[in-house]
Amino acid sequence: EDQVTQSPEALRLQEGESSSLNCSYTVSGLRGLFWYRQDPGKGPEFLFTLYSAGEEKEKERLKATLTKKESFLHITAPKPEDSATYLCAASGGSYIPTFGRGTSLIVHP
Amino acid sequence: DAGVTQSPTHLIKTRGQQVTLRCSPKSGHDTVSWYQQALGQGPQFIFQYYEEEERQRGNFPDRFSGHQFPNYSSELNVNALLLGDSALYLCASSTGTSAHTQYFGPGTRLTVL
Repeated sequence: EDQVTQSPEALRLQEGESSSLNCSYTVSGLRGLFWYRQDPGKGPEFLFTLYSAGEEKEKERLKATLTKKESFLHITAPKPEDSATYLCAASGGSYIPTFGRGTSLIVHP
Repeated sequence: DAGVTQSPTHLIKTRGQQVTLRCSPKSGHDTVSWYQQALGQGPQFIFQYYEEEERQRGNFPDRFSGHQFPNYSSELNVNALLLGDSALYLCASSTGTSAHTQYFGPGTRLTVL
């Protein structure tokens, strides 16, 4: 059974304080690893798709990396508007993504 | 370019009633997947529709059913509502059943009293 575990569950940062979110996955034959941002009561907003170990993608203050067992979402010099829940999902042979429970990020000004 | 749209935004029902939620996929997408997201949890896959047929199904009872129309839009129907069905229902669209990236709509918040 595919499993995705995210840590920490919650993270509080000061504005400008860089950090990383972790996503550990157990999937047979990884087809894709996805990162989404979700604001309260809204649908997830797509951020990145990674396909193979060693791949990296960047968007503004966010950078996603992938190894054979985990993915990291690095946030550089975060701003209060980066506050949200960040969801990780992995898809295997069925191509249906399994989601983690998310990391709730709060960035204080 | 219109993204994924869902209606209604919010819905309140009582136990035992039936509900229908609607989704229009992103322009150019032909596959629709439905998810249930309880508070504090990640989205849970319900089922996926492609070419007007249910292609894959998650671990949900057959009270949950769906339909896809020729214009690729989709409906999610839930019968005999239970209190535990209260959640945010998300629709995601993509191209083809083996597509990797799904784009989500804003969701429908269902409250069952």
